[in-house]
Amino acid sequence: VQLVESGGDFVQPGRSLRLSCEASGFIFNDYAMHWVRQPPGKGLEWVARISWRGADIGYAASVKGRFTVSRDNAKRSLYLQMNSLRPEDTALYYCVRGSGTFDIWGRGTMVIVSS
Amino acid sequence: SSELTQDPAVSVALGQTVKITCQGDSLRSFYTSWYQQKPGQAPILVIYNKNNRPSGIPDRFSGSNSGDTASLTITGAQAEDEADYYCNSRDTSGDHVIFGGGTKLTVL
Repeated sequence: VQLVESGGDFVQPGRSLRLSCEASGFIFNDYAMHWVRQPPGKGLEWVARISWRGADIGYAASVKGRFTVSRDNAKRSLYLQMNSLRPEDTALYYCVRGSGTFDIWGRGTMVIVSS
Repeated sequence: SSELTQDPAVSVALGQTVKITCQGDSLRSFYTSWYQQKPGQAPILVIYNKNNRPSGIPDRFSGSNSGDTASLTITGAQAEDEADYYCNSRDTSGDHVIFGGGTKLTVL
């Protein structure tokens, strides 16, 4: 059972970035998925969720209207489209499996937003 | 309420028992999970739905709830238990997931 994130990068404020997460070892479309982030030296912050079929989506207030979560069950992949990035979005972004209990975490992909 | 409050730091002597707490209004309605995070590693789930352990988690880890406070207890703390611990649940609307600020556990 594994989640592998990719797409993190160093970007300027206002730019966009798309994160991906590839799942293996379990039936991907049986599970809701989430993005959770962790700024350097700080705690965990929930970012977004998407239900197994993609019909139920939710966002933290800090990213709503700027970030879009999506999934492709055929490709066993989760995505996070991040627009209008701000310095405060700088963090390690984790792809996480679960509905409220997060039982499988990826290793994360780093996003740095700075001019 | 959309907050879960944890003590920033707790210490315990090797082999002793320590309780880490998490307080929030939403805990009266929703289950709590606990995560352990060691430096440079992703978090791992240690307790879910108040007091269930995933396979592979030692039975010295246990959870409980009372009113608006959830607790993670480590009975007989080991050196390898030194880590940051986070609680999570849902906010009072049930729509969003929230995390506590984390507790840094030091094993002396």
